[in-house]
This record gives sequence, C-alpha cells and structure tokens, in this order.
Amino acid sequence: DSGVTQTPKHLITATGQRVTLRCSPRSGDLSVYWYQQSLDQGLQFLIQYYNGEERAKGNILERFSAQQFPDLHSELNLSSLELGDSALYFCASSVAWGSTGELFFGEGSRLTVL
Amino acid sequence: AQTVTQSQPEMSVQEAETVTLSCTYDTSESDYYLFWYKQPPSRQMILVIRQEAYKQQNATENRFSVNFQKAAKSFSLKISDSQLGDAAMYFCAYRSAGLNAGNNRKLIWGLGTSLAVNP
Repeated sequence: DSGVTQTPKHLITATGQRVTLRCSPRSGDLSVYWYQQSLDQGLQFLIQYYNGEERAKGNILERFSAQQFPDLHSELNLSSLELGDSALYFCASSVAWGSTGELFFGEGSRLTVL
Repeated sequence: AQTVTQSQPEMSVQEAETVTLSCTYDTSESDYYLFWYKQPPSRQMILVIRQEAYKQQNATENRFSVNFQKAAKSFSLKISDSQLGDAAMYFCAYRSAGLNAGNNRKLIWGLGTSLAVNP
C-alpha cells in the first residue's frame, strides 16, 4: 500500500460528459502529480501541484483541469469527454525538499468513455 | 529536455534465469534520480529500485540490481532468479534532483518493456 488513495477505481461514462477523479496523497506529502496512461502513448505527465499551487503543466488538454485543496487532496476534472480520453489516470505524491526523489503512486482510476 | 528510451518493447526469460532490461536517457543535468517501476497486470505502479546519480555504487534490492553508467547515460535493470511474479511491464524513469529543479520534479518515463516469465 503506497498510502496514496484514488477514487473511483473504475468509471464508465459517455462522450460529452464530465467526471471528477479524486486523489488523497500520502500523509505529509505536499506534491501531487497526475499522469495519464493510455495504451498507445504510455505515461503522460498532466499536471503537478505543490501545497495548493500549480507548479508544472504537461500535456494536459484545455478540457481538463485540476486543483489541490487546503487539505492537500487533489481533483482532476475531465469535461466534454471523448473516446480518446479513455485511459488509466494515476495520481502520485511526494515530499518536496529533502526527498529521495521517489513518487508514490495510487492504484489509478480507469476511465472508459463509450 | 530530458528523454528516456527503452529500446526493448518486449522481453522474455525462463523462470530462475537472469534477464537484463535496457534504459538510456539524455540529460544535461548532473544531479538526478533514476528509477525502475514495475506495473503488473493489476496496473499498480510499484517502485523496484532507485539510483541517485551522485552515487557511483550500483543500487541493489534483493534479486534486482542496476548497472548505472553515468557517462554513457545508461541504466539497465538486472533481474536474477526470475520468478513468475516478475512478469509485468517495467518502466525506466528520470527525475531532476538539483536545486534548480525546485518543486518541479516530474518523472520522465520510457515507454516500457513488457517482461514475460516462462515456467
């Protein structure tokens, strides 16, 4: 158990809909990262938050947004869903300074868009 | 920008034998971390082994060891005495570690190597 909790584990929805994925980082971790893993593109970095602030953006679509709340949990919002958004979405967390560099991953949220 | 390359999309090994997975990376940084993550069919991403770039000694974790060649920018994973439970996708990943990285230390991933273990 990595200590990172993601909900829901599985989600099936239709095109055009909006979903919210939730992540609770490990206790004490201030950084949260979101990754998308699809079959044809491997792991893609989406966005990083540190202590409530956005710190880095990767290949995140404009239809996607995220935030990190004061209690450090994070939500990834996916809207106007398309078939190609079907993927496994991982959340990971880490401490900031003084860490060993490791990211701790949740079990992922598998999104299927029909 | 940093890149990570895994040149072997698929590998197979006989149970109890040894296999080596390759990873090369490109960076201009001198301070960084390298990781091997394992993703079994359950899809959970599990850290296998970690190497700090400033350490010359190769990391070892039980049956897993790395061959870290900093000058060659190579970071291969050796799995000894392979077990059926080692069958998984293996990802090599890079992460900046220097002060200039600040809090932006996302992992940069290779595309993975699918390892099959034959009984």
